[in-house]
Amino acid sequence: DVKVTQSSRYLVKRTGEKVFLECVQDMDHENMFWYRQDPGLGLRLIYFSYDVKMKEKGDIPEGYSVSREKKERFSLILESASTNQTSMYLCASSFPPGRGRSSGANVLTFGAGSRLTVL
Amino acid sequence: DAKTTQPPSMDCAEGRAANLPCNHSTISGNEYVYWYRQIHSQGPQYIIHGLKNNETNEMASLIITEDRKSSTLILPHATLRDTAVYYCIARSGNTGKLIFGQGTTLQVKP
Repeated sequence: DVKVTQSSRYLVKRTGEKVFLECVQDMDHENMFWYRQDPGLGLRLIYFSYDVKMKEKGDIPEGYSVSREKKERFSLILESASTNQTSMYLCASSFPPGRGRSSGANVLTFGAGSRLTVL
Repeated sequence: DAKTTQPPSMDCAEGRAANLPCNHSTISGNEYVYWYRQIHSQGPQYIIHGLKNNETNEMASLIITEDRKSSTLILPHATLRDTAVYYCIARSGNTGKLIFGQGTTLQVKP
């Protein structure tokens, strides 16, 4: 079964700590995404990547960075965690439009999520 | 991106069809309609997508109006496990990003 695997389901960190959230996909997808989800705000896009070593800012990139050294792995980094970064973090991946069974559309496969609490 | 509007919540009896509406009146010609759902504490799950024609797969059917300004997701025989938040998204296939709104919380009741 194809998968997007997020390394940690639950994390508790302290303010100021550096936090790494890892995401690995086994579907040979070019595109990878990081979202965060908060009650009443829905899913918001943080960063995404269309290829190895490339990244683009989403709608809320402040306080985050990402790394894509290998095609299958996309890491989200919180350089200095703050309490307002307490959230559910969701990783997703997809083929670019035109590849895969989705023809011209863009179908995302999501991981199970990582719930981060910053104290 | 076309803005989508969904009712915040709906109920459905188990075994009956669940019909979830979505308005996307500003949709453009190259924008697909996607449906995802999210069961509590899990990541969103892709259900179905379409451009102009109605679509059906093993999970659901998608009915898109002729003017493409609205669509309906149909779960033909809802079960308790279909209780989830359902997201309707309209997005160009040329871009990789999908922007999620608030969705519809579907409660399937015994």
